[in-house]
Amino acid sequence: EAGVAQSPRYKIIEKRQSVAFWCNPISGHATLYWYQQILGQGPKLLIQFQNNGVVDDSQLPKDRFSAERLKGVDSTLKIQPAKLEDSAVYLCASSTHAPVYGYTFGSGTRLTVV
Amino acid sequence: GQQVMQIPQYQHVQEGEDFTTYCNSSTTLSNIQWYKQRPGGHPVFLIQLVKSGEVKKQKRLTFQFGEAKKNSSLHITATQTTDVGTYFCAVGNQFYFGTGTSLTVIP
Repeated sequence: EAGVAQSPRYKIIEKRQSVAFWCNPISGHATLYWYQQILGQGPKLLIQFQNNGVVDDSQLPKDRFSAERLKGVDSTLKIQPAKLEDSAVYLCASSTHAPVYGYTFGSGTRLTVV
Repeated sequence: GQQVMQIPQYQHVQEGEDFTTYCNSSTTLSNIQWYKQRPGGHPVFLIQLVKSGEVKKQKRLTFQFGEAKKNSSLHITATQTTDVGTYFCAVGNQFYFGTGTSLTVIP
């Protein structure tokens, strides 16, 4: 089966600019997650979707980050305006409703804010 | 979110030596998952443990869930250079990730 697709692979922006990341989960996976992984740290959950509804966004900095999953398939994560500390890899993962086989992660988008 | 501590943070071993990483929680866990992340790569699912005292094996990897379901371990027998990477545990309904253990294998 095809994996989780993410784009772009890399992005460099200046602080205060905006950026958007795209994720296409594995077909049939109802649950989609966005994680932020800062270099040397474990992935930090930003938001979890179940179909097109938000399950958990408690760690999403809502003053600058937004995410949507229209039609319950693809998802976009946006940062506006970006700060230097947003430099990280943004990982998208998907799973079935009961992830006994774990999440499948995409390759991520490496964001550098200068 | 839920917090878990992993120890050690870093481990350097000679090829052929064994390696163990531990994941500890202050609260009882419903389940725990383990992931491996190669340098420059993304996390890859290894296994999920659910039952108290559960032990699962994957070739040279042995995973254990504590009796009290508050800790877990991953043990690698006779490490190889292909085992290099960071090993994470993940817990909770939204699978919060631990701090990870970075393994370096010296040939």
